[in-house]
Amino acid sequence: LAKTTQPISMDSYEGQEVNITCSHNNIATNDYITWYQQFPSQGPRFIIQGYKTKVTNEVASLFIPADRKSSTLSLPRVSLSDTAVYYCLVGEGPQTGANNLFFGTGTRLTVIP
Amino acid sequence: EAGVAQSPRYKIIEKRQSVAFWCNPISGHATLYWYQQILGQGPKLLIQFQNNGVVDDSQLPKDRFSAERLKGVDSTLKIQPAKLEDSAVYLCASSSPQGVPTDTQYFGPGTRLTVL
Repeated sequence: LAKTTQPISMDSYEGQEVNITCSHNNIATNDYITWYQQFPSQGPRFIIQGYKTKVTNEVASLFIPADRKSSTLSLPRVSLSDTAVYYCLVGEGPQTGANNLFFGTGTRLTVIP
Repeated sequence: EAGVAQSPRYKIIEKRQSVAFWCNPISGHATLYWYQQILGQGPKLLIQFQNNGVVDDSQLPKDRFSAERLKGVDSTLKIQPAKLEDSAVYLCASSSPQGVPTDTQYFGPGTRLTVL
């Protein structure tokens, strides 16, 4: 089970693009990278998932370099409502038994008006 | 689509007492997870069920924690007896195979347990 390293906290002004990088030096061939968002008093919420290169959805983009030892979650033009903790997870997934269920401490993003 | 339901939302007990938490996953989701989240930390997996069978309970303190998922739907997590360090939010999540290795987990609102 590959573990991850993220910055503990980040601050950003409203309207800016925010990039949160996650290191996962021991990522295995079958591992995927998944990001979750958690607001206070709520459970985590899936944001995006990828294996390599770039993935984009309506919420964020995920950039994964060729060596896959790191990944960057990109949030375009953040708003105050994006203030939350962001978790990077790496693993094969529940179906194989070895799964991406190690959340770590996450990155606390604070968006400033 | 209804989300993952958990009850109670809050519970305060004294140490050495027993407590139980209930989870109703999203309809049709075969996989159910229980997490413990201590203040300031990320969620830690306690146990994972696939239907009514246990997939992973390696981090469940089995001397005091137990969980069951009879009939492969609802699940109950019990702590007996509780210790001060069990104060945390207990999160339930469920997922359904989507044809990819890593299934999206849907989390409930959690139960905040305070042990005095």
